[in-house]
Amino acid sequence: EVQLVESGGGLVQPGGSLRLSCAASGFTFSSYEMNWVRQAPGKGLEWVSYISSSGSTIYYADSVKGRFTISRDNAKNSLYLQMNSLRAEDTAVYYCARDGGGSDIFASYMDVWGKGTTVTVSS
Amino acid sequence: DIQMTQSPSSLSASVGDRVTITCRASQGISNSLAWYQQKPGKAPKLLLYAASRLESGVPSRFSGSGSGTDYTLTISSLQPEDFATYYCQQYYSTPGTFGQGTKVEIK
Repeated sequence: EVQLVESGGGLVQPGGSLRLSCAASGFTFSSYEMNWVRQAPGKGLEWVSYISSSGSTIYYADSVKGRFTISRDNAKNSLYLQMNSLRAEDTAVYYCARDGGGSDIFASYMDVWGKGTTVTVSS
Repeated sequence: DIQMTQSPSSLSASVGDRVTITCRASQGISNSLAWYQQKPGKAPKLLLYAASRLESGVPSRFSGSGSGTDYTLTISSLQPEDFATYYCQQYYSTPGTFGQGTKVEIK
């Protein structure tokens, strides 16, 4: 079964840091581009970041550029999101999502999603 | 960034109804459009991509159409399990942007 499982969310103070992880199984992780997408409480979906299958191409939303870092470890079938200088507006459910496009150079649609991990930024 | 505008924001419908949701892009996106379904407390689920290509396992009552800047998701006969929020997403350019969502509620 194709599966993505996020972890690492929690409560953090403004200015703090968190590292999210996403464990992939049931498919050849190293062949797929990956994304992080978030959803603030009661709000819509917001794409956050993309990484190509090798990790050589990375994109970020303007809202997180310079504060968040996406990375992957293909040997461990894992995707990561290092989040620094967190703000209240970063409070959201963070989803790990597999990219279904196959271009390996830009983000596309997302065909497999994890259940999400909740990040709350509050003092 | 390309802006995606969905309409309506919400609708009420009955089981068996035909439902249409529209998504308009702020510029042409060459059919680089996906539709997702999200139920409360759950992750989004891909329904269609490339504007009209049905994702594997998705019932054929879901269909998509459109071109240029205007796209449509149609549910031909609404079923109880279809009550959810639907999002469009363009992936013509990065950042891929989502519509604000359309909540389909029971009438």
